[in-house]
Amino acid sequence: QVQLQESGPGLVKPSGTLSLSCTVSGASISSNYWWSWVRQPPGKGLEWIGEISLSGTTIYSSSLRSRVTISLDKSKNQFSLNLISVTAADTAVYYCARERLREVGMLDVWGQGTTVTVS
Amino acid sequence: DIVMTQSPISLPVTPGEPASISCRSSQSLLSSNGYNYLEWYLQKPGQSPQLLIYLGSNRASGVPDRFSGSGSGTDFTLEISRVEAEDVGVYYCLQDLQTPYTFGQGTKLEIK
Repeated sequence: QVQLQESGPGLVKPSGTLSLSCTVSGASISSNYWWSWVRQPPGKGLEWIGEISLSGTTIYSSSLRSRVTISLDKSKNQFSLNLISVTAADTAVYYCARERLREVGMLDVWGQGTTVTVS
Repeated sequence: DIVMTQSPISLPVTPGEPASISCRSSQSLLSSNGYNYLEWYLQKPGQSPQLLIYLGSNRASGVPDRFSGSGSGTDFTLEISRVEAEDVGVYYCLQDLQTPYTFGQGTKLEIK
């Protein structure tokens, strides 16, 4: 059974860098999947942040592209999210998710989410 | 970016009654391969989102058959034939035709 677990600081100072990791268990991150990050500001809806392939190809949301980096660490079976120059608007629950082929249902496994507050 | 618009925003439903949620996209989600790249997710209170429907009308594994998806192009609907108490939460549509993928703003289903 595949499980994803987010980890990282719960509090980040304004103008600082938000850094989160997602540890994958029950499957190899080198499997033929993409891996995504999604966030949810308090009381608001879901926002797709970006994705990374097993080869390291990345695609980001238009609104965050200038500040975000997603990377893979195959040795740790993890992928990570870095968001620079954060403001209070980046306060959210951050989810990592496994991304399958769209033809079979894309985001089929999600982490439990981790809350990050910018203050 | 493709903009996704859901309605209603809030949906109070009596148990046993049907429910319907609409999702519209700013451009067609119908690909040249004949597939509509539209998914539905449910986020139950305090939980992570879970996949319900993909390709507009295909139920994900383990999803009860009271859930159904329909539509094509820019107009899609999620229907629940008989709402149960466990169906409460926020429903989101997601377009995965092209990146950046985009979600609708969500529809909160609550029990009357």
